[in-house]
Amino acid sequence: AQRVTQPEKLLSVFKGAPVELKCNYSYSGSPELFWYVQYSRQRLQLLLRHISRESIKGFTADLNKGETSFHLKKPFAQEEDSAMYYCALEGGGFKTIFGAGTRLFVKA
Amino acid sequence: DTGVSQDPRHKITKRGQNVTFRCDPISEHNRLYWYRQTLGQGPEFLTYFQNEAQLEKSRLLSDRFSAERPKGSFSTLEIQRTEQGDSAMYLCASSSTSTSYEQYFGPGTRLTVT
Repeated sequence: AQRVTQPEKLLSVFKGAPVELKCNYSYSGSPELFWYVQYSRQRLQLLLRHISRESIKGFTADLNKGETSFHLKKPFAQEEDSAMYYCALEGGGFKTIFGAGTRLFVKA
Repeated sequence: DTGVSQDPRHKITKRGQNVTFRCDPISEHNRLYWYRQTLGQGPEFLTYFQNEAQLEKSRLLSDRFSAERPKGSFSTLEIQRTEQGDSAMYLCASSSTSTSYEQYFGPGTRLTVT
């Protein structure tokens, strides 16, 4: 079964500290993986996808097929990074599976 | 074009009533998705349209739920005989080949069933 697990509901870090939001997935094929972000009072929006291998707003994510993980990382957290982050998987077909989300709180 | 829009933004209804939500995608987007999101959870896939064809539907969707996209533009999601468990945020998203299928989300419709 396709599944996305985000083990942390809340992650609190100080400004300037490194941050890692964990995501593990279950899928038998080659998935497409995404991170979506929702800032306060804003819509859900795409942050990055693994196939583009981009760094967006200083965030990167590496797909580790051996560990079936797609953790989101940023070396120096900023207060404006405080938001809800969702890891998502698109397997065969058009169905996108979202994790339960991790709320990141960056303290001043 | 100001992005994906949804109407209404909030709906309060009594158990047993029918409700209908509308989604207007970004005009050139041929793909349209509906999701449901409950408190503390991520969006849960409900159904997907490519143009006017409904190509995928979640097995979690009971017979009380139906969605249409009659002309390949706007879409409606109807819930018949609502139950308290239907209370949730209903999200719509759209995408196209020009966006490499990046999904653009609407603001959602919050349904409360009393």
